[in-house]
Amino acid sequence: AQSVTQPDIHITVSEGASLELRCNYSYGATPYLFWYVQSPGQGLQLLLKYFSGDTLVQGIKGFEAEFKRSQSSFNLRKPSVHWSDAAEYFCAVGAAGGYNKLIFGAGTRLAVHP
Amino acid sequence: GAVVSQHPSWVICKSGTSVKIECRSLDFQATTMFWYRQFPKQSLMLMATSNEGSKATYEQGVEKDKFLINHASLTLSTLTVTSAHPEDSSFYICSASQDSGANVLTFGAGSRLTVL
Repeated sequence: AQSVTQPDIHITVSEGASLELRCNYSYGATPYLFWYVQSPGQGLQLLLKYFSGDTLVQGIKGFEAEFKRSQSSFNLRKPSVHWSDAAEYFCAVGAAGGYNKLIFGAGTRLAVHP
Repeated sequence: GAVVSQHPSWVICKSGTSVKIECRSLDFQATTMFWYRQFPKQSLMLMATSNEGSKATYEQGVEKDKFLINHASLTLSTLTVTSAHPEDSSFYICSASQDSGANVLTFGAGSRLTVL
């Protein structure tokens, strides 16, 4: 069965520092991978996705993620965090039965110190 | 861009009553919609896949008679929590897809249900 693991429940970084959020997946075939951000009162917003091709994916808001098949990972990175990046981040994998049927990780809550 | 609207954004009801939550795609036709449930500080759990004009497909462990889903048009899916109990209190989120291909899902802002 497909699954997604986000090992870090909470992460706190200082504004301007770099960020890496970890995501590991379990999937039998080539996965479709996503990172979403959830802010209070707002719907989940897609940051980036990987379907195929270049394993380094650029997203919105200065985020990027790298697909590493050998490690079954799809970590999210940002070189310099802004206070507005504080939110909940979810990694997701496209499950069997349709690319749009997503299985989500438990989420990582990011806090940003000024 | 694509927008999905959920209504109500929050609702409080008495135990034993039924509550309907609407999910609308405002500027596109959604052949498929998905309903998720999110407990506090937890991830989104897929409840069911709603296809326009056909019966919803429920995930294992989700009671179809408890959570009635109707997708009567290409822009509207509804989730009805029947005979709600306090344990049904949760955050319900819908998402919509324009097609069944490798498309991006658009999520609603969610509906918080509190059952007293």
